[in-house]
Amino acid sequence: GESVGLHLPTLSVQEGDNSIINCAYSNSASDYFIWYKQESGKGPQFIIDIRSNMDKRQGQRVTVLLNKTVKHLSLQIAATQPGDSAVYFCAENPAYGQNFVFGPGTRLSVLP
Amino acid sequence: NAGVTQTPKFQVLKTGQSMTLQCAQDMNHNSMYWYRQDPGMGLRLIYYSASEGTTDKGEVPNGYNVSRLNKREFSLRLESAAPSQTSVYFCASNPGGGRVTGELFFGEGSRLTVL
Repeated sequence: GESVGLHLPTLSVQEGDNSIINCAYSNSASDYFIWYKQESGKGPQFIIDIRSNMDKRQGQRVTVLLNKTVKHLSLQIAATQPGDSAVYFCAENPAYGQNFVFGPGTRLSVLP
Repeated sequence: NAGVTQTPKFQVLKTGQSMTLQCAQDMNHNSMYWYRQDPGMGLRLIYYSASEGTTDKGEVPNGYNVSRLNKREFSLRLESAAPSQTSVYFCASNPGGGRVTGELFFGEGSRLTVL
C-alpha cells in the first residue's frame, strides 16, 4: 500500500550544527508534501510544504528538498537550536486525495 | 482564535465502556479528520469528513464511529472500548472540501487509556 517512511528513527545533533531529516515516499502520484514538527504533549505543527513541481523550498532556517526520481524528501534545519528538539513527520498527499499519509517520525535531539 | 479544540484531553476507560471524543474548529474549514497516534508510528487516519453531512472511512476505522454534527464539530465515538484503542487521538481540519488544500491544522490531542 501507499506509505511514507523515514530512514532514521532518531537523530542527535550539536547545537549550532545543521540537521538533515530524511523521508522516503512510495506513491509516485503524490503531488504535495508537508513537514510537521511535534513537541511533547502537543499536536503536529506545520513547518514547510512543497509541491511536486518544485525541487526546493526555503523557509526561515528550514529547507525542504524533493527528489521525485528516487521519491525522497528531506528537511534541513540550519543552526539547530534546543527549541528544535521534537519529532518531525513528513506527510504526503496523493493526487486528488482527501487526506495525508504520514511517516513514522524522526526524533531530533539537540545536544548542548 | 482557538483553532481546533478537542475534549477531553485525558480519559481512562474500562474495556467495554463507551465514550465520545469531541472536536470543534472555528476556522470555517470544510474538511475534518480524526487520527490516532501510537508509539513509533505515524498518525493513522480513522475517519474523515470532506464536508458537512459526509463521512468516510480512513485506514483504521474498525471500532469507531463518527458524526459531523455541523460544519464546526466532528465527534469520534468508541462504542465498546478495547485495550488496542489505547492511543493519542488527534482531530484536524483543512479548508478544502473536494480535496486537501494546504496544511492540516491539529488539535492538542486526547490521550485515551483503555484498561
